[in-house]
Amino acid sequence: EVQLVQSGAEVKKPGESLKISCKGSGYSFTNYCIAWVRQMPGKGLEWMGIIYPGDSDARYSPSFQGQVTISADKSISTAYLQWSSLKASDTAMYYCARLWGPAMVPNWFDPWGQGTLVTVSS
Amino acid sequence: DIVMTQSPDSLAVSLGEKATINCKSSQSVLYSSNNKNYLAWYQQKPGQPPKLLIYWASTRESGVPDRFSGSGSGTDFTLTISSLQAEDVAVYYCQQYYSSPLFTFGPGTKVDIK
Repeated sequence: EVQLVQSGAEVKKPGESLKISCKGSGYSFTNYCIAWVRQMPGKGLEWMGIIYPGDSDARYSPSFQGQVTISADKSISTAYLQWSSLKASDTAMYYCARLWGPAMVPNWFDPWGQGTLVTVSS
Repeated sequence: DIVMTQSPDSLAVSLGEKATINCKSSQSVLYSSNNKNYLAWYQQKPGQPPKLLIYWASTRESGVPDRFSGSGSGTDFTLTISSLQAEDVAVYYCQQYYSSPLFTFGPGTKVDIK
């Protein structure tokens, strides 16, 4: 079974750094892109960026470029989303999702991780 | 950037009745070389991650009930729930993957029981 399991909820203060993770199993992690999607409280889905673990090629939504860093460690089948200095406005649920097809071939997202809730508050 | 819009923002439908959700893209998501529309639909129930319902605008994902159907081409698409069930209460999102690796979602449509 293809599965993505995300790290647990985080509570942080503004200015702190954070790295959340998404571990893939049941497939060849190296060959399939992982996307990150933000969902702010009570709001819709926003695509943040995507990474191809095979060569760590990462692409970002213009809205998130420079605000976050997406990385992957293919040796442990895990993708990451990190912030160097959190803001209160980063409070949201963050989902990882696998691009259905290999590499960056245009495809839909399936499956999705269970989500990681990040709360940033002083 | 391809901008996705959805209508209505929300709708309430009686059990067993039809629900229709519209999605529009700011430019065509139909790839002429393969005649495929690069459009997916997702369902998100409260407290859950999104779930894939339909891809290529009209192909139902395995295990999705056949009361869900997708149609449309180019810039205008529709998700139809032919006979609304209580378990269909959710927010529904369309997504374009034509401009992959840049993706965009619609703002979502909330479906409730009348």
